[in-house]
Amino acid sequence: NAGVTQTPKFQVLKTGQSMTLQCAQDMNHNSMYWYRQDPGMGLRLIYYSASEGTTDKGEVPNGYNVSRLNKREFSLRLESAAPSQTSVYFCASSESRDRGTTEAFFGQGTRLTVV
Amino acid sequence: AQSVTQLGSHVSVSEGALVLLRCNYSSSVPPYLFWYVQYPNQGLQLLLKYTSAATLVKGINGFEAEFKKSETSFHLTKPSAHMSDAAEYFCAVSFFSGSARQLTFGSGTQLTVLP
Repeated sequence: NAGVTQTPKFQVLKTGQSMTLQCAQDMNHNSMYWYRQDPGMGLRLIYYSASEGTTDKGEVPNGYNVSRLNKREFSLRLESAAPSQTSVYFCASSESRDRGTTEAFFGQGTRLTVV
Repeated sequence: AQSVTQLGSHVSVSEGALVLLRCNYSSSVPPYLFWYVQYPNQGLQLLLKYTSAATLVKGINGFEAEFKKSETSFHLTKPSAHMSDAAEYFCAVSFFSGSARQLTFGSGTQLTVLP
């Protein structure tokens, strides 16, 4: 049982390049999330998807787009990377959109550096 | 709005000493609260969660947390620190926004365990 799988694990981009971060979960969860983690700032929500076919902006959505391809997969795209997007990106999923007692399960992260 | 404040970005304790990591929350409704741990170069792993069933919550690896409504706190403790406890710890509050439950994280506390 893999849980939440993210690819790639590491990436270096030049300013202006584009890329897509992939995320897949095998727990049949409805909700999926993308966070970025920066030193001293905890995790900040970029986008989330309550269910297949829906996406919503989180706290820091500028410069990103997402696609909920199906129930398993939720991708994050950087159209024109900027140095400010250098960060560690985490994908997460949770069981239900209504039950606050349900915890989120996290992938291993993608370390992205934009030069 | 829901928010979480973790007091102390770095905490050092000696092996065998008490671990106390502080978390205060702001919530307009009864909160669902979580503690996550992050080991180096890994994703976040759930330590424990508060779901209103009991104010003292026991988690994995000997950690526990007590929910105190009057103090709006959810501090994490462990009676005796082990070297393997060295990691970053995040407090989080769950709330319903838009179409899904979301987590707001504190900025994290790095725990160092000294031999």
